[in-house]
Amino acid sequence: QVQLVESGGGVVQPGESLRLSCTGSGFTFSTYTMHWVRQAPGKGLEWVAVTSSDEKYKYYADSVKGRFTISRDNSMNTLYLQMNSLRAEDTAMFYCARADEDGPNRPVAYWGQGTLVTVSS
Amino acid sequence: DIQMTQSPSSLSASVGDRVTITCRASQGISNYLAWYQQKPGKVPKLLIYAASTLQSGVPSRFSGSGSGTDFTLTISSLQPEDVATYYCQKYNSVPRTFGGGTKVEIK
Repeated sequence: QVQLVESGGGVVQPGESLRLSCTGSGFTFSTYTMHWVRQAPGKGLEWVAVTSSDEKYKYYADSVKGRFTISRDNSMNTLYLQMNSLRAEDTAMFYCARADEDGPNRPVAYWGQGTLVTVSS
Repeated sequence: DIQMTQSPSSLSASVGDRVTITCRASQGISNYLAWYQQKPGKVPKLLIYAASTLQSGVPSRFSGSGSGTDFTLTISSLQPEDVATYYCQKYNSVPRTFGGGTKVEIK
């Protein structure tokens, strides 16, 4: 079955960097568009970034554009989110997510359990 | 960017009640609309996609409707296990904006 396992979260100070990872299994990772979605404590869901299967296109939410970079290593079945210049408002649970089917404009149907990022001085 | 507005932000209803949640897009999104259920402390779960298609395994008391800018999620007979926060999300283009969520409680 489809499994997504995130790692790399932790406590950092404002201005610092962190790299999140998400390893996929139970499916052909290299054929799927992958997303990052976050949720601040007690708040709603916020879409963060997406990368196509071949990294030809990548898009970001305005709130992270220029600070976060999404990437992937299909040989390792792993998705990454490099987060630089972190701010207190980036504190959140970060989920990696996969669409229900391969192809454009598909809804997210599979979620990892999330990794918690806390930005605090 | 297209904004997604959900209403109400919370509701309290009795077991067996019919519950309706609305989601409005600031521009037309055809039927590229998904609904998610997130129970406390859990990961979001896809309930409905393409505005009205029930995801496999989701109880038939859940239904969705709408197209363009106005969408509805309906729970025909609220059950205790439906206590959760429900989110809509557009997925026709980026950013894939979520609605603000609707918290559903039992009265």
